[in-house]
Amino acid sequence: AQSVTQLDSQVPVFEEAPVELRCNYSSSVSVYLFWYVQYPNQGLQLLLKYLSGSTLVKGINGFEAEFNKSQTSFHLRKPSVHISDTAEYFCAVKDHSGAGSYQLTFGKGTKLSVIP
Amino acid sequence: DTAVSQTPKYLVTQMGNDKSIKCEQNLGHDTMYWYKQDSKKFLKIMFSYNNKELIINETVPNRFSPKSPDKAHLNLHINSLELGDSAVYFCASSRDMNTGELFFGEGSRLTVL
Repeated sequence: AQSVTQLDSQVPVFEEAPVELRCNYSSSVSVYLFWYVQYPNQGLQLLLKYLSGSTLVKGINGFEAEFNKSQTSFHLRKPSVHISDTAEYFCAVKDHSGAGSYQLTFGKGTKLSVIP
Repeated sequence: DTAVSQTPKYLVTQMGNDKSIKCEQNLGHDTMYWYKQDSKKFLKIMFSYNNKELIINETVPNRFSPKSPDKAHLNLHINSLELGDSAVYFCASSRDMNTGELFFGEGSRLTVL
């Protein structure tokens, strides 16, 4: 079985400061990794994904994440946040070994609040 | 055109009633999902259909019954509503059941009084 731990439930940060949202996963098989963002009163949308290849992946709105297999982490970063980045961020993992569940497992979310 | 649309957006009803939420996707995807998001924003998969076939059926009360008349539609019917059913229900779709790239609707907020 796979699981996702988002270490911070809330992260307040000042506008134009850098931010890192932490995500660790647990799985016995090969995985795909994702970050989704949920703006207030909206559905989730894909921010970025790691499938294979380069461990540094870039997404929309200036976000990037780094896959670290040895630490089983997939932390999300942005060098300078904007007020509009205030949202809930979800890390997610999916088994792609072919032998496991078809389920995409989400973490509990991290609320990013950007302070003017 | 909205890629994944669900109706109604808001639903307020009394305990014991039966209600349905409808979902349609115009992306040509094979796989559709229902997720429940509670007040703490925790997302829980409920059901998934691939080409009208049920592939994920998580532990939910059997008062919840999904129905997929075709691969572009996935509806959720809830019988005998309880207070604990209050949540936001999200429909989502994906190209196939192997991808983790999901497209979500805007959610249906259900309030049971």
